[in-house]
Amino acid sequence: EAGVVQSPRYKIIEKKQPVAFWCNPISGHNTLYWYRQNLGQGPELLIRYENEEAVDDSQLPKDRFSAERLKGVDSTLKIQPAELGDSAVYLCASSPPNAGKYEQYFGPGTRLTVT
Amino acid sequence: QKEVEQNSGPLSVPEGAIASLNCTYSDRGSQSFFWYRQYSGKSPELIMSIYSNGDKEDGRFTAQLNKASQYVSLLIRDSQPSDSATYLCAVNPRVDSWGKFQFGAGTQVVVTP
Repeated sequence: EAGVVQSPRYKIIEKKQPVAFWCNPISGHNTLYWYRQNLGQGPELLIRYENEEAVDDSQLPKDRFSAERLKGVDSTLKIQPAELGDSAVYLCASSPPNAGKYEQYFGPGTRLTVT
Repeated sequence: QKEVEQNSGPLSVPEGAIASLNCTYSDRGSQSFFWYRQYSGKSPELIMSIYSNGDKEDGRFTAQLNKASQYVSLLIRDSQPSDSATYLCAVNPRVDSWGKFQFGAGTQVVVTP
């Protein structure tokens, strides 16, 4: 079974530039998460999708971050414009339709550096 | 107060010994608990999940949950150098917040030969 796929793996951009991250979850996983992980910290949830519906985006900085999950499969997270403080690893995870369990499987992440 | 707390370590463990990691959480209504292993520069990997009080064993790993005391622990028996990693505790809070995971900052484990 293929794991969660993310691209790009690394991205270096200048501040104020836009950036987008793409995620393809494990086949059959209807729940998709985007996390941000800073060095030495645990992942911080940004947004959670159940199929194509964003059911929790309370932690998403909506002034500059946006996300979409068209057709309930792939997802894209965008930052526009990027700030220096956005430098982090952006992780995508997915969970199978197993109500109450929510075991998450993470992709390799995208390491973003904003200069 | 952080919602999920872990000792940051590093926890130094001789090879072959037992590593004991602890995690406390603030939401008494929390329902599901997970341990992830994260190697440096890699993404978290699920190693254990536990949903009810007591012990759950999987190979060299044992998770222990005590909801009354609001803590969950992970024991690693016969520790190997390959167990050297950061271990993240994750908590899925009460039923009305399903999926809104809270992660601890992780405990770094170093297994010394």
